[in-house]
Parts: sequence; C-alpha cells; structure tokens
Amino acid sequence: AQSVTQLDSHVSVSEGTPVLLRCNYSSSYSPSLFWYVQHPNKGLQLLLKYTSAATLVKGINGFEAEFKKSETSFHLTKPSAHMSDAAEYFCVVRGQAGTALIFGKGTTLSVSS
Amino acid sequence: DAGVTQSPTHLIKTRGQQVTLRCSPKSGHDTVSWYQQALGQGPQFIFQYYEEEERQRGNFPDRFSGHQFPNYSSELNVNALLLGDSALYLCASSHPESSTNEKLFFGSGTQLSVL
Repeated sequence: AQSVTQLDSHVSVSEGTPVLLRCNYSSSYSPSLFWYVQHPNKGLQLLLKYTSAATLVKGINGFEAEFKKSETSFHLTKPSAHMSDAAEYFCVVRGQAGTALIFGKGTTLSVSS
Repeated sequence: DAGVTQSPTHLIKTRGQQVTLRCSPKSGHDTVSWYQQALGQGPQFIFQYYEEEERQRGNFPDRFSGHQFPNYSSELNVNALLLGDSALYLCASSHPESSTNEKLFFGSGTQLSVL
C-alpha cells in the first residue's frame, strides 16, 4: 500500500533562509508524488508534482522537490523563505487505484522576520 | 471563473443527527472527490463521483454517502453523526482530461462540529 511520512510536524525558519520540508514515501510501484500547501481558510493548492518525467521538480512560488528512489524521499525545498510561505504543507502520494490521494499528516511552516 | 465552492462554511450538529454538505465543482470539471480532514491531520479520501456514479471509496462506513447531479455538483451525506465526525470536509474537482487527479482543485471546506 502507498503511504507518505512527513518527518517534521513543525519547521521554523527566518525570512530569507532556506526551507527544507522532509517526506519519505512507501510504494510498491513507481509513485506519483505531490506537495500541497494549505493556507488558513483557503483551499489546498498544488505546489508541484512528480510523475517520473524528471527527478527534480520545480513548482510554484520558488519551491522545488527532488525524487530520490534510493532514499525513498521527496523533500521540498526553497532557497529563501518569505513571510507568505507560512502555512501547512502536505506530502501526497496517489493511491494504487489511481484516483484517491493519500496525504501525510502535514508540516507546519513558520517564518519569522 | 469561480473555483470549487462548498456550502455551508460552518455547521454545528448534535450526535445522532444527519447532515448534508454541498459542493459545486470548478467550471468544466466533471469529477468530484470528498475528503475528511480531522484537526491536526492530513485529509483522508472518502469517495469520488464521476458521471453520477461512485467510482472509488475510501475506508469510511456506510453512514457516509454521496450523490452527484447531472450538473456535476455533489452532496455528501452523513447519518447518525458521531463526535468523531467533527472535521473539515473538503471537496475537490478535476478536469475530464485529468482522471488521475494530477490537477485537483480544492474548495475551502465545510467545518462540521458535532456536539
């Protein structure tokens, strides 16, 4: 069965410093992986997706993630945090049947000035 | 262009009652999925509707049921409410060409509180 584990429940950074949100996955086949962001009182928004075309995936707002099969990881990074990046981030894998998305428990990103 | 809209935004019910939540998908989208997000957790897949049929279902009891109308809007019904049903219920829609949900659009959700 497919699953994802987000290794940090809360990450705090200063504005202008790098962001690293860690995610490990488990899948019996080549997975489709996603990162979603959830701002308070707003809907979930897709940041980026990996579907085997390229291991380094670039998303919106300067975020990117690297798929590492040997480490079963799909960590999300951003070179320089902005105050507006403060939100809840979810690592997601597509379920085996192909329709359901399986979410991790989320990482809360706090950005201080 | 309106995105995914859900109603109501907040709802308070008591144990044993029944509730209906509503979702209008993004224009041009024909597939609707429902997710339950408990406090401090990631969303969990409830079910997906396509062409007015339930296409896939997650690990939720039969108390959770749904419906999709010819205009692609959808309802989520929960019977015999339990305290544990308190959660944010999210609706997501996708485009016909994105059957693998690579471009899901989520609504802001309905916050259900069961007392």
